Amino acid sequence: NAGVTQTPKFRVLKTGQSMTLLCAQDMNHEYMYWYRQDPGMGLRLIHYSVGEGTTAKGEVPDGYNVSRLKKQNFLLGLESAAPSQTSVYFCASTLKGLQHGGELFFGEGSRLTVL
Amino acid sequence: GQQLNQSPQSMFIQEGEDVSMNCTSSSIFNTWLWYKQDPGEGPVLLIALYKAGELTSNGRLTAQFGITRKDSFLNISASIPSDVGIYFCAGHRGGATNKLIFGTGTLLAVQP
Repeated sequence: NAGVTQTPKFRVLKTGQSMTLLCAQDMNHEYMYWYRQDPGMGLRLIHYSVGEGTTAKGEVPDGYNVSRLKKQNFLLGLESAAPSQTSVYFCASTLKGLQHGGELFFGEGSRLTVL
Repeated sequence: GQQLNQSPQSMFIQEGEDVSMNCTSSSIFNTWLWYKQDPGEGPVLLIALYKAGELTSNGRLTAQFGITRKDSFLNISASIPSDVGIYFCAGHRGGATNKLIFGTGTLLAVQP
């Protein structure tokens, strides 16, 4: 079972370059999330989506954009990468919203380094 | 943004020992969750708690939802090498919010 799949798994960028992280889930989940994980900081929510065609800002949205054109995919974009965006990025999805006790299923993570 | 205070930050124990870790907050949560993250993987849900005072077990793991709703505890009994990883607590405030607040994590190392 694929579950939540993130691509790419690793990427090195130069400052100012752009890139897109792709998250795909095959569980027909409505809700999808992008988190970043930094040492000693736990997981912080960047953006999330409650359904196809909708997105919302999380805790640390600056410098990122997202799109949810198809229910199974949630894209995270960096328009002009900065060293502060060096992190491990996790995508997660859930069938029902967190307010209804939905369980988050995470991808394996994408490690991004910005030089 | 707010984060939950998790302690200890790291633990180095011998196989067979019991482990306790906790998570505290200055505000109330309606749901407490405990996740484990293996090296190179994403977090996986271990236990979910929905009621103040609730005590829930999952094999050798037991978690409690603090009576004040501002804290939660996770215990692992008779640790084994595969318990190695980072353990995260997470809280949900209830209502319509779709956001979880995560703790800073506890790194557990188990020596065989």
